Amino acid sequence: GQQLNQSPQSMFIQEGEDVSMNCTSSSIFNTWLWYKQDPGEGPVLLIALYKAGELTSNGRLTAQFGITRKDSFLNISASIPSDVGIYFCAGQYTDKLIFGTGTRLQVFP
Amino acid sequence: EAGVTQFPSHSVIEKGQTVTLRCDPISGHDNLYWYRRVMGKEIKFLLHFVKESKQDESGMPNNRFLAERTGGTYSTLKVQPAELEDSGVYFCASSPRQGTEKLFFGSGTQLSVL
Repeated sequence: GQQLNQSPQSMFIQEGEDVSMNCTSSSIFNTWLWYKQDPGEGPVLLIALYKAGELTSNGRLTAQFGITRKDSFLNISASIPSDVGIYFCAGQYTDKLIFGTGTRLQVFP
Repeated sequence: EAGVTQFPSHSVIEKGQTVTLRCDPISGHDNLYWYRRVMGKEIKFLLHFVKESKQDESGMPNNRFLAERTGGTYSTLKVQPAELEDSGVYFCASSPRQGTEKLFFGSGTQLSVL
């Protein structure tokens, strides 16, 4: 079945630092997504990417849809304490989403 | 407007017992999904309802899992009998239309099977 490999598994950074995480797949996806799960909550959509090569920003977040359509990365600039959580990449396949294993982000003041 | 609500938030049961999870989607959302995250792994698709019909149940692990959505409103997911490997967080999500990437997730039910 389809699998998304997400890295790193976890990150411990200091407030103000930039963060980068990525996701690769053996399959092609036509839509790549980044979701964030706050502690005790469900995942929330951060960014959606629809075209190969597309670069999209949402505030301090920037994500890119890889040219091969098999990868994506997410950057967070100038991290703040509320960035703490688990970040999941996902590819859309028919009517369902295929998720990565998540990147746990901890931000220290 | 209320979001997706799930009940209970936590459930601890013994192996062999039965547990029923409930999900109330956002009002008016015809599409309802169940996903599961086993600790440290990916969030995995279980099944998809459109109104009361099962559109795709390819992710259901085995016949110990039964999902229903009578009347096309709330949904239940029953595990009977529960096994140790069923432990994890069960998420419900809803969306107003099919084929959308924007799913609204509930907070999940943390199921622990001892």
